[in-house]
Amino acid sequence: EDKVVQSPLSLVVHEGDTVTLNCSYEVTNFRSLLWYKQEKKAPTFLFMLTSSGIEKKSGRLSSILDKKELSSILNITATQTGDSAIYLCAVPRYSGGGADGLTFGKGTHLIIQP
Amino acid sequence: KAGVTQTPRYLIKTRGQQVTLSCSPISGHRSVSWYQQTPGQGLQFLFEYFSETQRNKGNFPGRFSGRQFSNSRSEMNVSTLELGDSALYLCASSYNSGPSYNEQFFGPGTRLTVL
Repeated sequence: EDKVVQSPLSLVVHEGDTVTLNCSYEVTNFRSLLWYKQEKKAPTFLFMLTSSGIEKKSGRLSSILDKKELSSILNITATQTGDSAIYLCAVPRYSGGGADGLTFGKGTHLIIQP
Repeated sequence: KAGVTQTPRYLIKTRGQQVTLSCSPISGHRSVSWYQQTPGQGLQFLFEYFSETQRNKGNFPGRFSGRQFSNSRSEMNVSTLELGDSALYLCASSYNSGPSYNEQFFGPGTRLTVL
């Protein structure tokens, strides 16, 4: 059974700090890893990573995949209160010829204090 | 382009009842996946439909079922509700289910409370 584990489960930091969120996976047919941000209801897509060692960046957020270590990290620099959210890591499930559904980690609940 | 819509947004039921949740995907999207989110278990995959066919199913009892219509709208049904079914049910749509992953867009969810 595919497994995705995130750490820490919760994190409280002050505005301006830099945070690193971790995700490790054990999946039978790995092709990609995704990061989502969930503020109130609908998770919103952040990054998709397929190649090891290639950093994806979007503003203050960046992420990198390490296929050797079966893991990924999500970095947020100069955090702001608007970054407070649950950050979810997910791996697509593959069966037959295509992807169907995502296996999610339990998420990291990040709280940024002013 | 309108996003994924789910109805109803909130629902309160009692144990033993059944419930039907609805999801309308983004126009042109043919794949709809359903997830259950609880504080203890996080987001868990229920099932995925593509072109009216269930392609895969997660590890949930048979009380959880779904279907997809020809216009790609999908419904999820839970029969004989249990207290543990209280959760946020999220629906996500994507363009297709081809060999590569297609980004899934999530709806706002239906918050189900079972009393």
